[in-house]
Amino acid sequence: GQQVQQSPASLVLQEGENAELQCNFSSTATRLQWFYQRPGGSLVSLLSNPSGTKHTGRLTSTTVTKERRGSLHISSSQITDSGTYLCAIGGTGSKLSFGKGAKLTVSP
Amino acid sequence: EAAVTQSPRSKVAVTGGKVTLSCHQTNNHDYMYWYRQDTGHGLRLIHYSYVADSTEKGDIPDGYKASRPSQENFSLILELASLSQTAVYFCASSHRVTNERLFFGHGTKLSVL
Repeated sequence: GQQVQQSPASLVLQEGENAELQCNFSSTATRLQWFYQRPGGSLVSLLSNPSGTKHTGRLTSTTVTKERRGSLHISSSQITDSGTYLCAIGGTGSKLSFGKGAKLTVSP
Repeated sequence: EAAVTQSPRSKVAVTGGKVTLSCHQTNNHDYMYWYRQDTGHGLRLIHYSYVADSTEKGDIPDGYKASRPSQENFSLILELASLSQTAVYFCASSHRVTNERLFFGHGTKLSVL
């Protein structure tokens, strides 16, 4: 099955610094989605980006499908950005495979 | 914003007992999913469904059954709960497959003792 590796596993930043999260996957994919999990558990979809570069607010997602990698850039991090960021990969069909997540801590 | 409601929010079950986790969505989504999350494993797909009265096995279906009696409702059933099924369970829904956002419920924390 699809293997999804995220790096780094954890990241500590000071407020205002930028974060770069990586996602590498083992098989051909037509879907890449980024999710945010709040401390306490609920998950929110951030971006769906199958290829190329996509921006929303302070988030930039870049996916290079043929190299089986994606990244999420968070600019000017804020304390409220703290939480876990998950990458999910899917091919044809409805199943998404998730990485283990990257825990981001933003301090004042 | 899509609404996915899970019940209960938490549950303590005894080994060998039957557990039913329920999920209800109000946005006319076709697809519904059950995932479990364990420390160190991320989210893993248990069962999913793309139409009422039909369910499909995900990546880790052993020990679980699923039921989709209507488009809005999707249940996860543990007939004989085991210690290894202690985890947080998330239900999600989406409208269509390709690049559609998944909307998650708040999760159910299940402890099997």
